[in-house]
Amino acid sequence: NAGVTQTPKFRVLKTGQSMTLLCAQDMNHEYMYWYRQDPGMGLRLIHYSVGEGTTAKGEVPDGYNVSRLKKQNFLLGLESAAPSQTSVYFCASTPGLASETQYFGPGTRLLVL
Amino acid sequence: GQNIDQPTEMTATEGAIVQINCTYQTSGFNGLFWYQQHAGEAPTFLSYNVLDGLEEKGRFSSFLSRSKGYSYLLLKELQMKDSASYLCAVMDSNYQLIWGAGTKLIIKP
Repeated sequence: NAGVTQTPKFRVLKTGQSMTLLCAQDMNHEYMYWYRQDPGMGLRLIHYSVGEGTTAKGEVPDGYNVSRLKKQNFLLGLESAAPSQTSVYFCASTPGLASETQYFGPGTRLLVL
Repeated sequence: GQNIDQPTEMTATEGAIVQINCTYQTSGFNGLFWYQQHAGEAPTFLSYNVLDGLEEKGRFSSFLSRSKGYSYLLLKELQMKDSASYLCAVMDSNYQLIWGAGTKLIIKP
């Protein structure tokens, strides 16, 4: 039981490049989330999904796209990376809306030059 | 707008007690969470309060007053491993978590 995993752990991009961050969970959770964490700020929700095939925008969705083709996977895409997207990205999952606990992956550190 | 306030940094001594405060203004309330985050790691769940009062879990306790928009996390018998950031988060009316910036707790021997 690996919980929530994220790949890659670290990546350096040049401005304008694209990439996809992968989040996988083996807990059969319905809900999955992508957050970014920046120094001096709280976690901010980028996009989330309430089930396979569904996605919704969070607080800071611009510049990102997501897909949830399989229940266990939630992909975050950057089509044209910008230095403002330098951050630590966390994926989380939870069984349901009112669940007490969000389970987090280990994070992906992204540097955009 | 929605806002979560908590101190940026606190220092305490090993073996002592520390209280980390959190005040919030959100659109709706469906519970308040405390998470612990060690440097370079993911947040991990500590506690959840949805009703007023104190919830105790071993060395950690969390208190909530919904009328005052206030919570605190109480850590007793501090250990060096408690050095971490403590994140306060409120679930709003849309069942989304609104996060504070976190309180970095430094434990000194």
